[in-house]
Amino acid sequence: SQQGEEDPQALSIQEGENATMNCSYKTSINNLQWYRQNSGRGLVHLILIRSNEREKHSGRLRVTLDTSKKSSSLLITASRAADTASYFCAAPQGGKLIFGQGTELSVKP
Amino acid sequence: DAGVIQSPRHEVTEMGQEVTLRCKPISGHNSLFWYRQTMMRGLELLIYFNNNVPIDDSGMPEDRFSAKMPNASFSTLKIQPSEPRDSAVYFCASSSGDTIYFGEGSWLTVV
Repeated sequence: SQQGEEDPQALSIQEGENATMNCSYKTSINNLQWYRQNSGRGLVHLILIRSNEREKHSGRLRVTLDTSKKSSSLLITASRAADTASYFCAAPQGGKLIFGQGTELSVKP
Repeated sequence: DAGVIQSPRHEVTEMGQEVTLRCKPISGHNSLFWYRQTMMRGLELLIYFNNNVPIDDSGMPEDRFSAKMPNASFSTLKIQPSEPRDSAVYFCASSSGDTIYFGEGSWLTVV
């Protein structure tokens, strides 16, 4: 069963623009995580936000969490061509980490 | 740290053959996960171990799939017999807390 669902499924922007991806989840969580996957590679952890946090920053990444709406967003500011990848949210469920289907981001130079 | 190491990286096999995928987790991590990724179904958790003990194998598709973790530094995922619908990328991941670390995956093609 899927815990996180991302929106949009695909996003294409120009270099320098901001990219926003959204994630909705189903059950109560104690944290939500975002991962990135470059084509042909494994997933890499980007950032974790805990249920008692509303916003978190890491470099050009900003993550928000709204537990009342069971949703999170990932904002990448001043995007670069190298940000082209798939981005997944993931939330714990019964001791397991369940991933959404991902958002495919394409940043055109 | 070398990260999670998986082998083989790529395998092409004929239907009916046995496939064994191998994983070496990050040293000191006590949880190990096997995921499968396909275009149709996304990233699915097949099984996970904690301290070498299988905790949840509800994601294992059927009896043709089996996984073992004989010690803290090694795990295998076996498919016997393999079928074309098993073609996917199989990821091993390990963790010692909330964050999990993925290997580069084993790309399996069953023809």
